[in-house]
Amino acid sequence: DGGITQSPKYLFRKEGQNVTLSCEQNLNHDAMYWYRQDPGQGLRLIYYSQIVNDFQKGDIAEGYSVSREKKESFPLTVTSAQKNPTAFYLCASSTSGTGLSGNTIYFGEGSWLTVV
Amino acid sequence: SQKIEQNSEALNIQEGKTATLTCNYTNYSPAYLQWYRQDPGRGPVFLLLIRENEKEKRKERLKVTFDTTLKQSLFHITASQPADSATYLCALGDSNSGYALNFGKGTSLLVTP
Repeated sequence: DGGITQSPKYLFRKEGQNVTLSCEQNLNHDAMYWYRQDPGQGLRLIYYSQIVNDFQKGDIAEGYSVSREKKESFPLTVTSAQKNPTAFYLCASSTSGTGLSGNTIYFGEGSWLTVV
Repeated sequence: SQKIEQNSEALNIQEGKTATLTCNYTNYSPAYLQWYRQDPGRGPVFLLLIRENEKEKRKERLKVTFDTTLKQSLFHITASQPADSATYLCALGDSNSGYALNFGKGTSLLVTP
């Protein structure tokens, strides 16, 4: 089935560790996104990529890094510089990053990250 | 600064009634606005998109209006059902964000039998 797969679903991180969240899509979408959602809060954009080998910072990029080496994959690394990483992380994709046509965003099922 | 505001208080309505949710925005010039549904612990799911030159859009029991003068969108669910209970998110983007969608905090809807 076509869709977006995020893994792991649940992840625990120790203080000072980097962790990487995986996101894979088989929808042949050009654009991919990472959002963070805190309890009772809206989605905040971390990074987005409109095309392979290119990505832009969103509103809260500090402490995070991404890569886009393949069209299908957009992994997010939460570095030790991110002081409050406990949150629900959502990966998404759309047909095009320009958005001029009003692209629908398709979301994965999310990954819960907890700092222990 | 850019803001997307949705009613923070949960909306409780009785089954069969019409639910109306509000989305207001400031400092955006969106070409379109989207509505998503999110269930607890799940990713949001797209419901409707309305463009700046459209006043109203319908899909089954859903209706969206878009007033670019008031900078407001209204989202209606008619003949509401308990299965409609969820959080509903408003989203929009413009050239400042590279057209990546920015989301409101969402409004929680509870439909009781």
